[in-house]
Formats: sequence, C-alpha cells, structure tokens
Amino acid sequence: QITLEESGPTLVKPTQTLALTCTFSGFSLSTRGVGVGWIRQSPGKALEWLALIYWDDDKRFSPSLKSRLTITRDTSKTQVVLTMTNMDPVDTATYYCARMNGFSYYFDSWGQGTLVTVSS
Amino acid sequence: SYVLTQPPSVSVAPGKTARITCGGNNIGAKSVHWYQQKPGQAPVLVISYDRDRPSGIPERISGSNSGNTATLTISRVEAGDEADYYCQVWDNSSDRVVFGGGTKLTVL
Repeated sequence: QITLEESGPTLVKPTQTLALTCTFSGFSLSTRGVGVGWIRQSPGKALEWLALIYWDDDKRFSPSLKSRLTITRDTSKTQVVLTMTNMDPVDTATYYCARMNGFSYYFDSWGQGTLVTVSS
Repeated sequence: SYVLTQPPSVSVAPGKTARITCGGNNIGAKSVHWYQQKPGQAPVLVISYDRDRPSGIPERISGSNSGNTATLTISRVEAGDEADYYCQVWDNSSDRVVFGGGTKLTVL
C-alpha cells in the first residue's frame, strides 16, 4: 500500500522560509523512473505544480517559483523535503506531495495535503 | 509556456452524460491525465494517458484526446461525481508539469 504524508508548520510569517516534509511508504525513490512531486492549491483555486525530484536525484521546478524552491531527499529515500524561501501571504495554500511512477508523467498517489498559512 | 484551458463549470442532470474539455495547442500530441477532487480531499487520478482508467475507476468515466482538445466523459452521472476535475500534461519543451484551471462539475 502506497502512502504519502506531508508535515510541516501550519503557520509561517512573511519573509520566512517554509520547509515541508513528505514521508512516504510502499515504494522506493531508488526505483528507476520514480519521482515525488509537490503541488499546491490556494483556497478556492486550481492545482499548481511546484517541484519534482526523481529516483536519480534529477530535479525539476516550476519556472515561476524556481528561484525560491529547493527539493531534496534523505539518504534513506523515504522522505522528500521542499523548502520555499521568502514566504508571502499569497503562498497560503494546501501543499500536497504525490508520487510519479515509472516515467509516467502523472501522479498516481497523493498525500492528504497540509494547509500552510502565511500571516504575521 | 504551455497552457491548458478548461471551462470553469459544467452542469448535468443525474443519469445524463457530462463532458469536460481541456484545450491546448496540439494537445492531441501529448498524453493527458485527469484528476477528480472532491471538497476537502486530495486529487485522485481517474484517467491516465488520455483514456486509461486506474484500478477502481468506473467504466462510466472515459477520456479522449485529439487535435486541440482532450475530453473527459462521465456517463450516467451520479450525485457522487460532483467534484472538481483537472487535466494535466507534461510539457516536454519546458520540462514541467502543467495543470488546467479545473472544472467544477455540478449535478443538478
């Protein structure tokens, strides 16, 4: 059974850096073709893709947010961490992590999401 | 950058057929994936590679893709189908994931 779970602060202040962790099980980020991505959704808005890290540590970022994002995985390859710098109230959103499997280019399993509010 | 365009809303009576479109430049040359998102829940993949249904997705849900439009079709619509639906592609030219703006399906 594949599970993903997002964790991190629920409230951050403007200009602070956000760090979110995706802890997953049921698959390995060492398996060829597997990736873990981050997607966010502002209240009442559409899904917005943020970043993706692959089994070989290759990474992709949303062009509009690339300068603010970092994505890493831990050595055990059961966690992926997304950091976003210089947080602003417009970054208030539910942040999801999701698995991309086997060069598929779609997300076949999602976490439940974590709501992050940016406010002073 | 590649843009996917969806109608904000689609309404359909129970038992009828709902069609949700996703427009993009020559989208027929790309693989389109669809997600269903019910209120307060994470998205769920309902169609991959234009027309493939993951395990557990009813046959009433189908997809097609040609030219500049991909379509998600839900036959014999039920109240439980009421949700937001998003299309998604991989844009090879920019190496990024692209989501459509989403369509709210209302069952009358």
